[in-house]
Amino acid sequence: EVQLVQSGAEVKKPGESLRISCKGSGYSFTNYWISWVRQMPGKGLEWMGRIDPSDSYSNYSPSFQGHVTISADKSISTAYLQWSSLKASDTAMYYCARVHPTYGDYGVWGQGTTVTVSS
Amino acid sequence: EIVLAQSPGTLSLSPGERATLSCRATQSVSSNYLAWYQQKPGQAPRLLIYGASSRATGIPDRFSGSGSGTDFTLTISSLEPEDIAVYYCQQSGTSSGTFGQGTKVEIK
Repeated sequence: EVQLVQSGAEVKKPGESLRISCKGSGYSFTNYWISWVRQMPGKGLEWMGRIDPSDSYSNYSPSFQGHVTISADKSISTAYLQWSSLKASDTAMYYCARVHPTYGDYGVWGQGTTVTVSS
Repeated sequence: EIVLAQSPGTLSLSPGERATLSCRATQSVSSNYLAWYQQKPGQAPRLLIYGASSRATGIPDRFSGSGSGTDFTLTISSLEPEDIAVYYCQQSGTSSGTFGQGTKVEIK
């Protein structure tokens, strides 16, 4: 079964760092890009950026460039989303998704990771 | 950056009615790279339509997609109670993955 399994919920304080993960299984991890999507409470989906796990090339939405880092470790079929200094406004659900190589759609999604940033 | 505008914001219909959801782009989008998703409360989004008009695996045939260029449509031919959800369009043709703001479908 093809699946993406994300790490568990996180509660952090402003200024702390965080890395969440997304582990792929049931397919060749390096054959599909992984994207990250933010959903703030009660709001819509926002594309953050994506990574090619085969060479770790990544690109970001202008809205998120410089605020997060996307990385991947192909040896363990895992992609990451990282913050160096969290803000309260980073409180959201974060999804990873597998990108279809031909159509660019997201046919496989992780279950989501809730990040809460509060003092 | 391509911006996607979805309309209406909310659609209230009775079971069995036809639902028509619109997605308009600020620039032309290759049809290969236009997708629609359904998201129910507390769940991850689910792919419905890819390539503007192809149904994803396991999606009922009451869901259909159409359009090209800057105007795309998702149609639910006969609304079922389980179709209550928020629907998002997405373009992924410019090294990005912009989403529309979503259309909420309610049962009247």
